[in-house]
Amino acid sequence: DTAVSQTPKYLVTQMGNDKSIKCEQNLGHDTMYWYKQDSKKFLKIMFSYNNKELIINETVPNRFSPKSPDKAHLNLHINSLELGDSAVYFCASSQDLALGYNTDTQYFGPGTRLTVL
Amino acid sequence: TQLLEQSPQFLSIQEGENLTVYCNSSSVFSSLQWYRQEPGEGPVLLVTVVTGGEVKKLKRLTFQFGDARKDSSLHITAAQPGDTGLYLCAGALVDGNEKLTFGTGTRLTIIP
Repeated sequence: DTAVSQTPKYLVTQMGNDKSIKCEQNLGHDTMYWYKQDSKKFLKIMFSYNNKELIINETVPNRFSPKSPDKAHLNLHINSLELGDSAVYFCASSQDLALGYNTDTQYFGPGTRLTVL
Repeated sequence: TQLLEQSPQFLSIQEGENLTVYCNSSSVFSSLQWYRQEPGEGPVLLVTVVTGGEVKKLKRLTFQFGDARKDSSLHITAAQPGDTGLYLCAGALVDGNEKLTFGTGTRLTIIP
């Protein structure tokens, strides 16, 4: 069984469209995240949710709206897609949120490669 | 300038050689993690170090956290083709900010 799954794996769309990426984890974790990895492989956090509550929003444009219907799901909806949104988007989960002294392991999904034409 | 700089950015060596990858910052981290990412997949955690000066070994991989908790290194002994991948360090800042900051990455290729 896949621990963290994302759909779709690949997404090709035109500028201006609206699209969603879905994420599910079957690990029973309380915290889920969205990351963006650019063409230079730099990985940057976008959002984190703990028990369905938004905890981190890293100055992401409000065209990006995460939604967590329950603890096991964190979906990412993107409005009015732009060329610069092209990247690989990773969902991840961990048992707890605090990553300072609580060195909790994050489990990443396989990624969704978004291409905006 | 990124918060966590990795060097080298690219490394291509022959099977059997040793190598070291560095992860440097001017900031202090509560903990630091190393991940390996293979093409088409998400990063997978290799190790977490939390104490300044800590050294952890994972088979042929040796991880060290700097005394001041600002830097880390990953040393691979007798590299094998299966070690090929993108290596990412990631740190949790000591200010308690509840997020991981990832490094710039090192793409390692081991030539058989």
